[in-house]
Order: sequence, then structure tokens, then C-alpha cells
Amino acid sequence: GENVEQHPSTLSVQEGDSAVIKCTYSDSASNYFPWYKQELGKGPQLIIDIRSNVGEKKDQRIAVTLNKTAKHFSLHITETQPEDSAVYFCAAIRNTGNQFYFGTGTSLTVIP
Amino acid sequence: DAMVIQNPRYQVTQFGKPVTLSCSQTLNHNVMYWYQQKSSQAPKLLFHYYDKDFNNEADTPDNFQSRRPNTSFCFLDIRSPGLGDAAMYLCATSRDLKGETQYFGPGTRLLVL
Repeated sequence: GENVEQHPSTLSVQEGDSAVIKCTYSDSASNYFPWYKQELGKGPQLIIDIRSNVGEKKDQRIAVTLNKTAKHFSLHITETQPEDSAVYFCAAIRNTGNQFYFGTGTSLTVIP
Repeated sequence: DAMVIQNPRYQVTQFGKPVTLSCSQTLNHNVMYWYQQKSSQAPKLLFHYYDKDFNNEADTPDNFQSRRPNTSFCFLDIRSPGLGDAAMYLCATSRDLKGETQYFGPGTRLLVL
């Protein structure tokens, strides 16, 4: 099955700085890669996703990049704000099924 | 707004006392999922329904059951909760299988006394 590794497990940045979270996956058949933000006591919320036919996608301060050859994808948050503080999960999914293989999560703290 | 709703948000039960968690959706999605999430861990899939077809994960304990009486509602039944079943339970939906986005509800935090 798929194995998704996520790094770092914790990340602290100063407000206004950028944050980068990286995930690697093992199954070359995976072709859909969502990112979720989970605030304390809440359910995960989809913040951005990318499919294997593109290398980069951006939505305001959030961007995701995908390198299919190297089997890794990254979340980039620019101009971080305190409200970006949360746990972020990456996931990898094959087009032939809907088993979400989640990464282990990154706890992001933005220091005002 | 179309959404996934879970009730209650917090549930306290006693060791061994059956408990039911509820999920409803207004997205009209075909697939509904139940996940268990323990502290500082990723969500773990318990089972899912594709329409009325039930799919159980191989390592989901028999203590966990589910019902989906119609498209909008799905229930998680824990027949005899143990202390190890205390967790956040997340419901999610997707339009279909095969590489579709999953949308999560706010979760129900279960406490077992």
C-alpha cells in the first residue's frame, strides 16, 4: 500500500515569515494530493489540492508543488499569520480508489 | 451552505454502554466515511458507505458498526466502548470514489468513563 511521510512534525515561524511542509509518497499510482488544516477540536478542512497533471497550484498565500518523478509534494504558506497556527495533514490518493493515505501531520505555530 | 454535520460535538459514555454518533450531509454525496482520530495522530479510516454498499476496513474492530438509512444520514454505533475508544470521531463525504475530495465534519469527541 501507499506510505506517506510528512516533515517536519512541528514548525514554529515568526509572523510574516514563510512556512514549508513536505510530504513524500511511495505509490507511483497516486495522483491526487490534498492538504488539510485542522484547528484544535475541529475537523480537517481542505485548504488546497493538486492533481498529477500539474506541477504547482496557488491560492492567495497558499501554494502546493508536486514533483511526480521524485514522489514528493510540498505546502507553502507565505506571509504567515497567527490564525495559520494549526495541524496540517497531507494525503495521497490513487485514482482507482478513495483510500486516503494521510501523512503524520505537522503542528504549525505562528508566533506574533 | 452545503455541509457535513455531526451530533453531538461531545459525547460522554460509560465503559461498556452502547453509544451512537450521528452524521448528516447536505452535499448529496454518494460516499460517507467514518474515521477515528486519536490525539496527535492522523485520522484512521474505520469504514465507508458507497450509497448503501458497506465497506469495512480490515482492522476495524467488530465493536464498531455503522448504519446508513438514507443518502443524508450515517450513524456510528459502538457496541461496548472501552477506554481505548476515547477519541475524536470524524465523518466525511465524497461525491464518488476514485480520487475524489473528502469533506469532513467538525467531529464528535467521545469520552469513556
